[in-house]
Amino acid sequence: AQTVTQSQPEMSVQEAETVTLSCTYDTSESDYYLFWYKQPPSRQMILVIRQEAYKQQNATENRFSVNFQKAAKSFSLKISDSQLGDAAMYFCAYIAAYSGGGADGLTFGKGTHLIIQP
Amino acid sequence: KAGVTQTPRYLIKTRGQQVTLSCSPISGHRSVSWYQQTPGQGLQFLFEYFSETQRNKGNFPGRFSGRQFSNSRSEMNVSTLELGDSALYLCASSVGVGDEKLFFGSGTQLSVL
Repeated sequence: AQTVTQSQPEMSVQEAETVTLSCTYDTSESDYYLFWYKQPPSRQMILVIRQEAYKQQNATENRFSVNFQKAAKSFSLKISDSQLGDAAMYFCAYIAAYSGGGADGLTFGKGTHLIIQP
Repeated sequence: KAGVTQTPRYLIKTRGQQVTLSCSPISGHRSVSWYQQTPGQGLQFLFEYFSETQRNKGNFPGRFSGRQFSNSRSEMNVSTLELGDSALYLCASSVGVGDEKLFFGSGTQLSVL
């Protein structure tokens, strides 16, 4: 079974600085997707960024970028120019690509609580 | 376009009761999946529905069930509630099965006393 591990329960960063959140995963699949979701106090899970495993190029969305190391099964999130609104729980997640038998849903890590210091 | 809507936002029940939670997906989305979020276990996949059929089910007891209607709206039901069922239940919708872009609602917070 696949597992997703986030080793940093909490991270703190000064506003306007850069922070990197770590994520490792374990899977025997070769085709899959990786995600970072943000969960603010409103509780809604918001997709931050998505990476297809077959793409070598790291995904980027404005101030958010990932460092995807497929061989190492590592998928870290870098937030540049941190803003107060970035404060939230961040979850790393994995899903196998659809194979016709149906996916097993997202597998989530335990989350990293990101604190932004003004 | 309206997002995923979950009702109610909060629910308080007692042990032994049953509960039904509702989820309305984004218009045009035909797949609905459910997740349970607890401080101890984190986020866990419950089940996924597409075209009124359950496609996948996570590792939960049979007390947890769901269904999907022809308009793609979904309900999940938990019977014989236990204290450990207290959790945030999140619903997510996507265009179809195998579509990995999930859009989540704000969840229903269930407290079992």
